[in-house]
Amino acid sequence: GENVEQHPSTLSVQEGDSAVIKCTYSDSASNYFPWYKQELGKRPQLIIDIRSNVGEKKDQRIAVTLNKTAKHFSLHITETQPEDSAVYFCAASMDTGRRALTFGSGTRLQVQP
Amino acid sequence: DVKVTQSSRYLVKRTGEKVFLECVQDMDHENMFWYRQDPGLGLRLIYFSYDVKMKEKGDIPEGYSVSREKKERFSLILESASTNQTSMYLCASSSGGRATDTQYFGPGTRLTVL
Repeated sequence: GENVEQHPSTLSVQEGDSAVIKCTYSDSASNYFPWYKQELGKRPQLIIDIRSNVGEKKDQRIAVTLNKTAKHFSLHITETQPEDSAVYFCAASMDTGRRALTFGSGTRLQVQP
Repeated sequence: DVKVTQSSRYLVKRTGEKVFLECVQDMDHENMFWYRQDPGLGLRLIYFSYDVKMKEKGDIPEGYSVSREKKERFSLILESASTNQTSMYLCASSSGGRATDTQYFGPGTRLTVL
């Protein structure tokens, strides 16, 4: 089955700096890669996703890039703010077959004011 | 607005007890999921269901079972709770028949097994 590895496990940045979180996946058939954000004490929520037919997707200060050849994808947050502090999870799946995501182990991002 | 609720936020049980965790969604979603969340291990899928009375094993089904008698309700059952099942349990649902549909999570149940 699919295996998703996520790095780093913790990340501390200064407010205004950029943050990058990286994930690799094992199943070359995977073609859907969402990112979920979980603030402290809250439930995870989808923030952005990318499908294998595109290499990059942006939504304001967040962007996700995908390299299918290398089987890795990354989340980029620019101009970080304290409210970006949270645990971020990457995930991977196919849009057919098993109707479930495989999640990475999570990255705790701390934005220092 | 999608609403996924879980029966308890905190639960304390003793080793060997049978434990029921309930999840209800109000958006007529087809898919429902149970995860456990442990520090450094992320969200690990226990079981999921894509229809009433249908279930599929996730990545860590051992020691758990599930029940989906109605579309809106998905129950996780620990037949004989053990201390290594102390964890945060998250339920989620998604609308359609594909893994690419957004998952909406419940608030979680923090289970402690003594």
